[in-house]
Amino acid sequence: AQSVTQPDIHITVSEGASLELRCNYSYGATPYLFWYVQSPGQGLQLLLKYFSGDTLVQGIKGFEAEFKRSQSSFNLRKPSVHWSDAAEYFCAVGLSGGYNKLIFGAGTRLAVHP
Amino acid sequence: ETGVTQTPRHLVMGMTNKKSLKCEQHLGHNAMYWYKQSAKKPLELMFVYNFKEQTENNSVPSRFSPECPNSSHLFLHLHTLQPEDSALYLCASSQPDYSLGGQYFGPGTRLTVT
Repeated sequence: AQSVTQPDIHITVSEGASLELRCNYSYGATPYLFWYVQSPGQGLQLLLKYFSGDTLVQGIKGFEAEFKRSQSSFNLRKPSVHWSDAAEYFCAVGLSGGYNKLIFGAGTRLAVHP
Repeated sequence: ETGVTQTPRHLVMGMTNKKSLKCEQHLGHNAMYWYKQSAKKPLELMFVYNFKEQTENNSVPSRFSPECPNSSHLFLHLHTLQPEDSALYLCASSQPDYSLGGQYFGPGTRLTVT
């Protein structure tokens, strides 16, 4: 069955430090992959997406993610975290083949220390 | 993000009340979704509509009744809810084919059932 795992429930980093949020998926075909961010009391905002081609994708707010097929991973990175990046981050897999269903991970809550 | 709007933003209702949540998208999408987000639980897909037709009902109790009169509007009618139905209800929209982009979310309706 398709699934998405975000191994880290909570992560705390200092402002200015680099960030990597992990995401692993289980899916037989080539997946569509997404990262979303949710600030408290808000909906989810799309950060970036991967469909095909270059395995390193750039998103909004200075985020990037790298698709590694051999590791079934799609980790999110940012070289220098800002206090405003504190939020919850969700990785999602979109099923291919004409479906429009997303499977979400449980999320990683990011705290940023000044 | 103003492409997907939801009203009301907050709703408190008793278990015997009937209320409706409204979602409107201004992105020209043809697929719309209802999700439930509870504390400490992954995002749960409830319903999917493609071109106004319901294509997925994820075993949602009948006290939740969706309605999609056109591709821009989606409603969730609520009646005789239970306290465990208290959650953030998120609406999203997309094109039916993920290769045309991901899902875009509204800010959600925070529902409290008393």
